[in-house]
Parts: sequence; C-alpha cells; structure tokens
Amino acid sequence: GEDVEQSLFLSVREGDSSVINCTYTDSSSTYLYWYKQEPGAGLQLLTYIFSNMDMKQDQRLTVLLNKKDKHLSLRIADTQTGDSAIYFCAETNPGGGADGLTFGKGTHLIIQP
Amino acid sequence: KAGVTQTPRYLIKTRGQQVTLSCSPISGHRSVSWYQQTPGQGLQFLFEYFSETQRNKGNFPGRFSGRQFSNSRSEMNVSTLELGDSALYLCASSLAFADTQYFGPGTRLTVL
Repeated sequence: GEDVEQSLFLSVREGDSSVINCTYTDSSSTYLYWYKQEPGAGLQLLTYIFSNMDMKQDQRLTVLLNKKDKHLSLRIADTQTGDSAIYFCAETNPGGGADGLTFGKGTHLIIQP
Repeated sequence: KAGVTQTPRYLIKTRGQQVTLSCSPISGHRSVSWYQQTPGQGLQFLFEYFSETQRNKGNFPGRFSGRQFSNSRSEMNVSTLELGDSALYLCASSLAFADTQYFGPGTRLTVL
C-alpha cells in the first residue's frame, strides 16, 4: 500500500533554516500537504502543493517537490522557538478513490537556543 | 470564521462501554473526515462523510461507525471499547469531498 516516510527528529539552532524531508511511494499522489502539531493540539495546515508544481513559497515556508524521486521537503527560514512542533507530511489521490490522507509518522523539530 | 470544533475534548471510559464523539465543521464545509492518532500507529484514516453519505472508509473494525447530519455536523461511535482504542480522535472538515482538510483540536479518549 501507499507509504509516507519521514525522519523522526530534526534539531536546529534558532535563526537557522530547518529542512524537513519526506518520501512517498504512491506515484499517483495528487496533493501533498504539510501539517504542524503542537503538544496537546490538533493539526494545523501549513501549506500544500499540487503534483504538477515543483516549488511553492509562502512567507518563511518553502515546499520543494521532486516528483521523479517522490521526495517532498519543507524549508522553514529563520527558525524560531515557536516552530518547535511535530511536522507531518501527507499525501492524497482524490481521483483514485482516495481513502483519506496518508500521513508520515511526523518529524519532531527541536530548536536549540 | 470559526474553526472545526470537537466535543468532548477529553473522555475516560472503561472496556466494553461505547462512546460517541461529535464534530462541527467549519461553516460552509460539507465534508467531514475522522482520524485516529496513536503513538504506535500514527495517524490513520477512519472514514469520510459528504452530504450525509460515507464516501470512504479506512481499515478499522465495524465497531467504529459514524454518521453525518444535514447540517454537516458529524458523530463517530465506537462500541465495545478496547484498551487499544485509547487515542486522540481528530476530525477534519473540507469544502467538498477529498478537498483540503482542516483539523479540529481532537478528542482524547482513554479506555481503562
């Protein structure tokens, strides 16, 4: 079945850029998403990219998609302590009778002062 | 615009009981999806409702069921609770079926 893989942890210094990576297996994935989860909270939609795009920028966030390698990344510029959270990559293929979003296990972003 | 709301936020039940969780979508959204989040399995899709009809279902036993009302509000029910049902249950709403999903804060269910 479809699978989404992420590293479990990423540690960065405050002010540096964070790059969170994700790989997926479903070549028919249409939409790819990044969600953020803070402790005790639900998921906050950060951004998404359509599969026919290779880059999307939104303020401090940059999403890069390499469809050939099925690789997605989220870059957070000027990382702040408030960015400390779990980041989930997710994919879906609505046209394929998608059974909802398929999520990775999440990457814990740790900010060092 | 108000976000997705879920009630209750916390729930404690014992094995064998049943539970009903409620979700109110963002105003104007017609699709509601439910997910289970556990430390071991991560986030898993339960089902999606659109226009009061279940459109997709994940790989969960029949003890997990749901419904959607004409005002798009949704409930999910878990019968004969097991210890392994302890999880954060997240509801997400979207404008239409299989559209971008916006999540609520979740209901934390603990089964003793």
